[in-house]
Amino acid sequence: QVQLVQSGAEVRRPGASVKISCKTSGYSFSSYYIHWVRQAPGQGLEWMGMINPSDTITDYSQKFQGRVTIIRETSTSTVHMEVSGLKSDDTAVYYCARPLMRYFDWPYLDYWGQGTLVTVSS
Amino acid sequence: QSALTQPRSVSGSPGQSVTISCTGTSSDVGGYNFVSWYQQYPGKAPKLMIYDVNKRPSGVPDRFSGSKSDNTASLTISGLQAEDEADYYCCSYAGRSTLFGGGTKVTVL
Repeated sequence: QVQLVQSGAEVRRPGASVKISCKTSGYSFSSYYIHWVRQAPGQGLEWMGMINPSDTITDYSQKFQGRVTIIRETSTSTVHMEVSGLKSDDTAVYYCARPLMRYFDWPYLDYWGQGTLVTVSS
Repeated sequence: QSALTQPRSVSGSPGQSVTISCTGTSSDVGGYNFVSWYQQYPGKAPKLMIYDVNKRPSGVPDRFSGSKSDNTASLTISGLQAEDEADYYCCSYAGRSTLFGGGTKVTVL
């Protein structure tokens, strides 16, 4: 069965970076985009970016351009997202998610990781 | 790119219907038929309820339906049930990007 398992909770100081991993299994890794979505406490969902694992092409929300990097590790079917220059309002649960349809970047996110809480505090 | 606009909350009694609107622009909702809707319970990951404006993934009850007119998409829950009380988010493709709505809390009275 399809599974997306994310790395554990992180605590960082303002200005630091954090790298979150999303290990996938149960499907053809290269055939589906992986999206990243975050949710601050008590707030809504916010799309951050995505990667096409087959060619490593990425797209990022304008809000996070230059501060977020998404890469894929084919040997372990894992996608990593690094967020730099952390601020207190980056405190959120970060989710990776896989779309319903293979090959397309349309945001029909059918499988989700369990979420990774990143806390940014001095 | 701004978030799509949803009402903060809607409510209805069991058995009634509620409709949640999602307003965007011609660059997102109005420009593509790639609109989806998600249901989220507190502390849980979102669940895909509608895609392609009006299609339901396997397992989603047919009480949930979607539509779109110009720059506004809508989610209707018919025959409201207690378990439908949750947060709902619309989502639209925006050309190599994605926008979510601010979320709507559905309360079953």
